[in-house]
Amino acid sequence: EVQLVQSGAEMKKPGESLKISCKASGYSFISNWIGWVRQMPGKGLEWMGVIYPGDSDTRYRPSFQGQVTLSVDKSLRTAYLQWSSLKASDTAIYYCASPIDYSTSSSLDGFDIWGQGTLVTVSS
Amino acid sequence: SYELTQPPSVSVSPGQTARITCSGDALPKQFTYWYQQKPGQAPVLVMYKDSARPSGVPDRFSGSTSGTTATLTVSGVQAEDEADYYCQSADRSGTYVVFGSGTKVTVL
Repeated sequence: EVQLVQSGAEMKKPGESLKISCKASGYSFISNWIGWVRQMPGKGLEWMGVIYPGDSDTRYRPSFQGQVTLSVDKSLRTAYLQWSSLKASDTAIYYCASPIDYSTSSSLDGFDIWGQGTLVTVSS
Repeated sequence: SYELTQPPSVSVSPGQTARITCSGDALPKQFTYWYQQKPGQAPVLVMYKDSARPSGVPDRFSGSTSGTTATLTVSGVQAEDEADYYCQSADRSGTYVVFGSGTKVTVL
């Protein structure tokens, strides 16, 4: 079964660092882009960026460049989203997602497989 | 930065047709994707590459693009179609992706 399983909910303080994960199974991990999408409380979806596990080619939406870091561990079939210094405004659900069945191998593809989401709460 | 504009809400009676629009300057050049999101759930892809329907999505869902406007049409709306719908596309240069602001579809 093709699936993305994300790490559990996190509660952090402003200024702390955090790395959340997304483990892939059931498909060729290194051959499909993995993206991250933010959804702030009660708000819409925001595309943060994508990474290609095969060569770690990474594309960020400009507003997220420098604010987060995308990475992968090919041996663990896992993608990561990382912050070095969290802010209260980072409070959101973060989804990982990947274009699998309908991929054109483009970083711009839509996502047909989604993780269950990771709730990150940043509060003092 | 590039934006996709959707109406905040659409209301429709069961059995009628719901049309959700998405406007953006780069739509003539870039593919549009559509997602359905129900409360507490991850989004689900319901249309890709403007008008292609993923396996398992009911055929009452269809998509089209004309000029700078993409449209997701739901014919014969059912109560289970009540959800938020988001379009997705890329900026003109193909540098990054954006989502539309989302449309809440209410089945009366």
